Amino acid sequence: DTEVTQTPKHLVMGMTNKKSLKCEQHMGHRAMYWYKQKAKKPPELMFVYSYEKLSINESVPSRFSPECPNSSLLNLHLHALQPEDSALYLCASSQEVGQGRNTIYFGEGSWLTVV
Amino acid sequence: GQSLEQPSEVTAVEGAIVQINCTYQTSGFYGLSWYQQHDGGAPTFLSYNALDGLEETGRFSSFLSRSDSYGYLLLQELQMKDSASYFCAVRDGDDKIIFGKGTRLHILP
Repeated sequence: DTEVTQTPKHLVMGMTNKKSLKCEQHMGHRAMYWYKQKAKKPPELMFVYSYEKLSINESVPSRFSPECPNSSLLNLHLHALQPEDSALYLCASSQEVGQGRNTIYFGEGSWLTVV
Repeated sequence: GQSLEQPSEVTAVEGAIVQINCTYQTSGFYGLSWYQQHDGGAPTFLSYNALDGLEETGRFSSFLSRSDSYGYLLLQELQMKDSASYFCAVRDGDDKIIFGKGTRLHILP
């Protein structure tokens, strides 16, 4: 069982909608991540938060807006998405960024469909 | 540039042993990890190698040779439930965890 919880599991939204994906972890991890995964492709890094501060933005379009309210929570705000943004969005966490062991733990993901 | 190379597909027979190779080229290196992903599911962590050698966890083992920028995942006593995609991943010098394209493992009865 994953200790990274994501909601909702499935989301269908129109191109003019505003929605949010939520992620929570209670493992005391100080690094949290958003990945995007298309079918039959590897996860692609979008954002990294380290100690609640955005440390990496992989040139993600501004229609994706991350937020880290505290060390346990990570949100991804969605606005004016395109159909090609439909994918599995994975939240993950790790003990820290750049410290030895690089194990990250994924949530079950949020399946997003943009219509 | 940064890249991880692994075979796109591997087929093996139930009960057998299979090895999935991964070669990497990154700017900086902080260890090689392996993840398993079943269809419709999320990636789950399998193993991690920071130093050269073999790490064993039950039926799964992982090997790393830093001088060769090479590692592999070894799955023994294959079971049908091992049918999945397997990703190698490295943390590079920019603190990014980069995934290979994945190897689809097909297991025949």
